[in-house]
Amino acid sequence: EAGVTQFPSHSVIEKGQTVTLRCDPISGHDNLYWYRRVMGKEIKFLLHFVKESKQDESGMPNNRFLAERTGGTYSTLKVQPAELEDSGVYFCASSGRQAVGYTFGSGTRLTVV
Amino acid sequence: AQSVSQHNHHVILSEAASLELGCNYSYGGTVNLFWYVQYPGQHLQLLLKYFSGDPLVKGIKGFEAEFIKSKFSFNLRKPSVQWSDTAEYFCAVNARPDTGGFKTIFGAGTRLFVKA
Repeated sequence: EAGVTQFPSHSVIEKGQTVTLRCDPISGHDNLYWYRRVMGKEIKFLLHFVKESKQDESGMPNNRFLAERTGGTYSTLKVQPAELEDSGVYFCASSGRQAVGYTFGSGTRLTVV
Repeated sequence: AQSVSQHNHHVILSEAASLELGCNYSYGGTVNLFWYVQYPGQHLQLLLKYFSGDPLVKGIKGFEAEFIKSKFSFNLRKPSVQWSDTAEYFCAVNARPDTGGFKTIFGAGTRLFVKA
């Protein structure tokens, strides 16, 4: 089966610009998660979708971040406007109904300059 | 709030040495425990997991971990490391099942470098 796909793999943008990250989960996985890792620190939870609904968005840093999962398939994470502290690696993961562990995508490395 | 603490940020070993990476978590209820690994240039992947039953779990590539409930610990071990085990290792915990999905909390990671 295809894994979790993230696009782009790298993005370099200027402060104040907008960036949209995309995640395609494993087909049939209802649960989709976004995480972020900044500067070698811990991998921090951002939010969790169950199908198209936001189950938990307690980790979203502020209202510059907007996540969507229309139709319950792929998800996008938009940062607008981007700030320097948004730099990091954004991971997406998906899981089925039974939590046997996540399948992660390869991540998007975002650099805001 | 749940948290995960990994004792060492960097570990350097020679090949054939034994490995133990410490992990402690804070949560008073029932937990599911994981170790993930990220090899250089690759994505995060599940190494092993504990849900219930035998507290000594075995994963891929000869790794094992022991859940000690009284110590809130889930340490990762391998009797003899290889150069190819060079990677970053993450301990993770989740404790709130809802609709079959779990919010997982990760530790800061331990970078292991194995000298050939």
